[in-house]
Amino acid sequence: DVKVTQSSRYLVKRTGEKVFLECVQDMDHENMFWYRQDPGLGLRLIYFSYDVKMKEKGDIPEGYSVSREKKERFSLILESASTNQTSMYLCASSLGRGQTYNSPLHFGNGTRLTVT
Amino acid sequence: AQRVTQPEKLLSVFKGAPVELKCNYSYSGSPELFWYVQYSRQRLQLLLRHISRESIKGFTADLNKGETSFHLKKPFAQEEDSAMYYCALSILTGGGNKLTFGTGTQLKVEL
Repeated sequence: DVKVTQSSRYLVKRTGEKVFLECVQDMDHENMFWYRQDPGLGLRLIYFSYDVKMKEKGDIPEGYSVSREKKERFSLILESASTNQTSMYLCASSLGRGQTYNSPLHFGNGTRLTVT
Repeated sequence: AQRVTQPEKLLSVFKGAPVELKCNYSYSGSPELFWYVQYSRQRLQLLLRHISRESIKGFTADLNKGETSFHLKKPFAQEEDSAMYYCALSILTGGGNKLTFGTGTQLKVEL
């Protein structure tokens, strides 16, 4: 069974702080994703990665960056946290290249970030 | 650009009543659609995918390309069906697949 682990369940940070959200998956998935989940807005894709050291912008990348130095780990970075980045952040992974179908996403439990 | 629309934020039904959660999509290519579900205090998880044409927990969904819809249905709602449901459209890109989600529908099954 795929396990996607997000290092923190709750985080409280101050405006202007640099914030790191960590995500690890244990099933050798090529694809990894970061979404934010907000009431009434659903899930919005921030960044995704198809391979180590590769990244692509999603729909709302402004104010965020990512790092994927190892296949199993995908980090989301808020360079200078702002109050409008208070949200639930979800990491996900899926099988990648070579698949003949769109493989489903496996999600972590989420990190609820509050920026004060 | 692709888009997924779920018109209802909240759907409240009585136990035993039929359920239909609406989902419409816009995409110029060949779509692949999923339904994901999030039960209270649990992680978001796959419920079903149109390509499998299967019934999961009594739920089914049929892709209607003419109406660009992928509505989720269940003939008799149960209390444990109460959850947040998201419709998602997946497209294959150069490296893998990318999912676009709708805004979600909260299903509440009342006794």
